[in-house]
Amino acid sequence: DGGITQSPKYLFRKEGQNVTLSCEQNLNHDAMYWYRQDPGQGLRLIYYSQIVNDFQKGDIAEGYSVSREKKESFPLTVTSAQKNPTAFYLCASGTYANSPLHFGNGTRLTVT
Amino acid sequence: AQSVTQPDIHITVSEGASLELRCNYSYGATPYLFWYVQSPGQGLQLLLKYFSGDTLVQGIKGFEAEFKRSQSSFNLRKPSVHWSDAAEYFCAVGAGDSSYKLIFGSGTRLLVRP
Repeated sequence: DGGITQSPKYLFRKEGQNVTLSCEQNLNHDAMYWYRQDPGQGLRLIYYSQIVNDFQKGDIAEGYSVSREKKESFPLTVTSAQKNPTAFYLCASGTYANSPLHFGNGTRLTVT
Repeated sequence: AQSVTQPDIHITVSEGASLELRCNYSYGATPYLFWYVQSPGQGLQLLLKYFSGDTLVQGIKGFEAEFKRSQSSFNLRKPSVHWSDAAEYFCAVGAGDSSYKLIFGSGTRLLVRP
């Protein structure tokens, strides 16, 4: 079955360490997204990519970085510059502008 | 700029009762509107979408939503709630004709009383 795979489901890191969250899709979608979810704040867009080798900052890109070397993959790195990295991170993909998004099951990152 | 408001943070209904979750958007042209549902610790699942045409949209799991341009609303409804409907619900709007961004509301958590 086609879908989006995020790994790992839970991730623990010490403050000051960079960490990379994986997102892979086999839906053949051109666009991929990273959202951050905090209680009571809904989903906030971190980065998105409309095509391979291209990506744009979302609303809260500071302290994060991404790459899009393959259509199927859109990893997110949470750097030590991100002040409050503990959150639930959701990866999504879509086919065209304003299309519905398909979501992965998320990665819960805890930084202590 | 586009925005989405879900005025109710929590809603509690009894099993078998009807449900309406409110969503108001701010957008100049005809919007692309979506409702998603999220179970705890999971990703989001699309319930339904509105792009154009009939203003009453049917979705999965017995949900429907009505687009009302005059009220800038896209409220989600279900005639009879089941305990398994307890989850968080998000309304979203497409950010523009050529945009790939979706803007999400802050969500409404639905609790179902037995």
